[in-house]
Amino acid sequence: QVQLQESGPGLVKPSETLSLTCSVSGDSISSYYWSWIRQPPGKGLEWIGYIYYTGNTNYNPSLKSRVTMSVDTSNNQFSLKLSSVTTADTAVYYCARGRSIHRYWGQGTLVTVSS
Amino acid sequence: DIQMTQSPSSLSASVGDRVTITCQASHDISKYLNWYQQKPGKAPKLLISEASDLQTGVPSRFSGSGSGTHFTFTISSLQPEDIATYYCQQYDNFPRTFGPGTKVDIK
Repeated sequence: QVQLQESGPGLVKPSETLSLTCSVSGDSISSYYWSWIRQPPGKGLEWIGYIYYTGNTNYNPSLKSRVTMSVDTSNNQFSLKLSSVTTADTAVYYCARGRSIHRYWGQGTLVTVSS
Repeated sequence: DIQMTQSPSSLSASVGDRVTITCQASHDISKYLNWYQQKPGKAPKLLISEASDLQTGVPSRFSGSGSGTHFTFTISSLQPEDIATYYCQQYDNFPRTFGPGTKVDIK
């Protein structure tokens, strides 16, 4: 059974870097593309980008200058870093399998940007 | 970016009613469209891919159709457990984009 679990700080200060990790079980991270998607409280879904185990990435142009994704095949994890955060980055962050069709999602983790 | 619109933004229907949601893309996306169901506090759940392919385990009362720029999502007989927000998502182009969602309630 494929399971994804996001982890990371729930509170980040403005101008700092948001860092999250997604741990994957039941699947090899080398077999699929892996995505990050976020959802501000009470709002819709925004695709952040994807990464492949080779390190190939594709980011949303609206966030591209601030986003870095990486993969750790030895621990079957992938990560998201979002720099220079503002209150507009407050959201539930989801990791998901795939770059087009997301059949498996993490439960999501709320990250609040506040001083 | 391809803009996705949905209508209505919310609806209220009775148990057993047929419910239809439309999704429109700003450009031709062929059949590269997913439908997700999201319940409060939960991650989205994939119901339909490639516009009309029902995922394994999803009840057959859910269906999708369309191609190009106009798509529909139908619940043939609304059940209490279908209370949720439904999102369309295109995967023809990057960045992937979602519709704003349609909130479905029981009348």
